[in-house]
Amino acid sequence: EVQLVESGGGLVQPGGSLRLSCVVSGFTSSDYWMNWVRQAPGKGLEWVANINNHGSDTYYVDSVKGRFTISRDNAKNSLHLQMNSLTVEDTAIYYCARDGNSWNDIDYWGQGTLVTVSS
Amino acid sequence: QSALTQPASVSGSPGQSIAIACTGTTSDVGGNNYVSWYQQHPGKVPKLIVYDVNNRPSGVSDRFSGSKSGNTASLTISGLQTEDEADYYCSSYTITRTYVFGTGTKVTVL
Repeated sequence: EVQLVESGGGLVQPGGSLRLSCVVSGFTSSDYWMNWVRQAPGKGLEWVANINNHGSDTYYVDSVKGRFTISRDNAKNSLHLQMNSLTVEDTAIYYCARDGNSWNDIDYWGQGTLVTVSS
Repeated sequence: QSALTQPASVSGSPGQSIAIACTGTTSDVGGNNYVSWYQQHPGKVPKLIVYDVNNRPSGVSDRFSGSKSGNTASLTISGLQTEDEADYYCSSYTITRTYVFGTGTKVTVL
């Protein structure tokens, strides 16, 4: 059974940092691209970043470029999102999500971890 | 990287068919065939229901179908059922190798 379990969310002050993690199981992580997708309370989905199978290529939405870094450790079946210089606009549930065998077909999602940026 | 445009809400009666449009640009929807659709019930995780414009993952009802013309993709739900009441999001691969979601559509079954 495919499982994705996020951790690391919480309350942080504006300007602060947070590191999210996602541990995956039920599939060979090095076979798939992985994503972070977020959803602000009561709002729509926003794709944040993704990383290729081996961690050598990364892509970001413009609003987080230079502040967020996505990384992975296939040996530990884990995905990470380092978030720096956080603003209130970054408040959201952050989902770890797996790409399927095509492009832009996110076929498995974690339950999400809530990040709240507030003073 | 502007969000794709979807109607805020669409409604229909049980058994009817409804369509949800998703409008982008030549840099996303119009520039490739990697358009996906997701269903999200309140408090739940999104679920992939269509990928590559018109393909359904295993286990997804054939009442859901996708299409595309130019810069606009569409999701059609046939034989509308009460359990179809949810939020629906389109998504597209983009020319900059990123992904972009639509603004979301709330489907109400009358």
